[in-house]
Amino acid sequence: QQQVKQSPQSLIVQKGGISIINCAYENTAFDYFPWYQQFPGKGPALLIAIRPDVSEKKEGRFTISFNKSAKQFSLHIMDSQPGDSATYFCAAHHPGANNLFFGTGTRLTVIP
Amino acid sequence: GAVVSQHPSWVICKSGTSVKIECRSLDFQATTMFWYRQFPKQSLMLMATSNEGSKATYEQGVEKDKFLINHASLTLSTLTVTSAHPEDSSFYICSAQSGITDTQYFGPGTRLTVL
Repeated sequence: QQQVKQSPQSLIVQKGGISIINCAYENTAFDYFPWYQQFPGKGPALLIAIRPDVSEKKEGRFTISFNKSAKQFSLHIMDSQPGDSATYFCAAHHPGANNLFFGTGTRLTVIP
Repeated sequence: GAVVSQHPSWVICKSGTSVKIECRSLDFQATTMFWYRQFPKQSLMLMATSNEGSKATYEQGVEKDKFLINHASLTLSTLTVTSAHPEDSSFYICSAQSGITDTQYFGPGTRLTVL
């Protein structure tokens, strides 16, 4: 059973556009929601993270929107650049298990 | 800060041999380290969690006798793939977590190819 559902599976955006990736979860025990960026052949790199007591967090061109009642969160990449082309994973942390549950990933392609 | 290294970055070995992968936290003490496996174009699959000085906790379906994990210090964890077979070929990634935060920082990964 997939604990964190991520969509879309792939996304193509024009340079300068906004990339939006969505995730949903069911377990209300999750207490921390990071997003990771992964380039081919590399390990995931922490991009931005949010806790459920905050509805939005912005770091540069990256914004997380968090809707606690809907159990959904999303990553917005403003002014998308070709260098943003990568696979993005959302995740949710379970405090009891101290595990991260990952989404299935979104392959983002930003075309010039 | 929060840099995690892995060694080697890639390894090719013959079937039946054992391979050791090292994971180090370079600028912080990692009370907990995690080992993941990733197949092409797929998400990360948690294999095991290790706490310094304790036995690793393996996820369901992961053979603990095949994937030996040692977390001997607060900066080093090792994964040994014993008697490797072609089906063990994969991308292995470790992550490290300090005791202060629940953030996991990932290493660059190790590509294992078993011939």
